[in-house]
Amino acid sequence: DGGITQSPKYLFRKEGQNVTLSCEQNLNHDAMYWYRQDPGQGLRLIYYSQIVNDFQKGDIAEGYSVSREKKESFPLTVTSAQKNPTAFYLCASSMGYGNTIYFGEGSWLTVV
Amino acid sequence: QQPVQSPQAVILREGEDAVINCSSSKALYSVHWYRQKHGEAPVFLMILLKGGEQKGHEKISASFNEKKQQSSLYLTASQLSYSGTYFCGAQDNYGQNFVFGPGTRLSVLP
Repeated sequence: DGGITQSPKYLFRKEGQNVTLSCEQNLNHDAMYWYRQDPGQGLRLIYYSQIVNDFQKGDIAEGYSVSREKKESFPLTVTSAQKNPTAFYLCASSMGYGNTIYFGEGSWLTVV
Repeated sequence: QQPVQSPQAVILREGEDAVINCSSSKALYSVHWYRQKHGEAPVFLMILLKGGEQKGHEKISASFNEKKQQSSLYLTASQLSYSGTYFCGAQDNYGQNFVFGPGTRLSVLP
């Protein structure tokens, strides 16, 4: 089945450590996104990519990094520079920027 | 700039109707509607394009008023399964900005 796969579903991180969240899609979508969601809050854009080897910062990119070496993959690294990383992270994709967005199941990151 | 959603929250009894509004200060090209259940990913409901017609999905429909830069989501004869947070996403006319609204929390009670 086509879809977006995020891993891991749950992740615990010690302060000062970098962690990488995986996102893979087999929908042949050009655009991919990373959103952060805090409890009871909305969706805030971290980074997005409209094409391979290119990506743009969203509203809250500080402390995060991404890469887009392959069309189907868009991993997110949460660096130690991100002061409050505990949140629900959602990866998404669309055929093109602004088209219908499909979300992965999300990854819960907790800093301990 | 983030679109504005109203109301922030609404509580209904099964079978009642609700309207959720999404408005922007910018000229819009499209408005998307999504529903998110607690702890799950948002699910796409529908998209409305500039110049397009009102859309419907079962008992959920939406309209797009280009002059007011506003979209409204209509939920009729609500069911328990309608509970969740509804997000609108708005894309401006230039096509370079797509931003989600803050969400409207809908609770349907038996």
